[in-house]
Amino acid sequence: GQQLNQSPQSMFIQEGEDVSMNCTSSSIFNTWLWYKQDPGEGPVLLIALYKAGELTSNGRLTAQFGITRKDSFLNISASIPSDVGIYFCAGHMTGGGADGLTFGKGTHLIIQP
Amino acid sequence: EAGVAQSPRYKIIEKRQSVAFWCNPISGHATLYWYQQILGQGPKLLIQFQNNGVVDDSQLPKDRFSAERLKGVDSTLKIQPAKLEDSAVYLCASSPRGAVYGYTFGSGTRLTVV
Repeated sequence: GQQLNQSPQSMFIQEGEDVSMNCTSSSIFNTWLWYKQDPGEGPVLLIALYKAGELTSNGRLTAQFGITRKDSFLNISASIPSDVGIYFCAGHMTGGGADGLTFGKGTHLIIQP
Repeated sequence: EAGVAQSPRYKIIEKRQSVAFWCNPISGHATLYWYQQILGQGPKLLIQFQNNGVVDDSQLPKDRFSAERLKGVDSTLKIQPAKLEDSAVYLCASSPRGAVYGYTFGSGTRLTVV
């Protein structure tokens, strides 16, 4: 099965720094989603993007749905310790009844003291 | 609103043994999904149910994996016989029909096959 190309694989940053990660696909999607997963938990939805070109914010998080519908990025501003975790992009394609998500491999965010 | 419940949280079995995982979705969610998440990767869809019918099982290894959703509520995923490469976290998710925004994951069952 397809997996999305997500980069970087990991990030080591200082508290207060801004973070940027992106995701690309060879296929188009109708919806792009960004999730955060903490150890021992399931992914939790951060932002959902429904239209090509859409730019959406959720607090310190900003994400964009690429014009080609094959890419998306997520920015986190002024990182704090609780931002540590693994961030996943996911693509969703409606139609035909099957609507499972296709995930990237994740970006592991580590904040150095 | 109660979340997606899964059990057990952890399971260790020997290869060639069988194992079953249970999922109780959010009340009223018609769609239920099982995902497999191997360490270091994103979740991969195994099977999708709409009520008690299978919508997509194209990525389910049907020679050893089976799943059912009797009565359109709870679901069980079974592996028989297990292989070492089945070691992973098995995540259950549910959503209102056709609604991505309501897509909610459980905490998963971590399976280790030795």
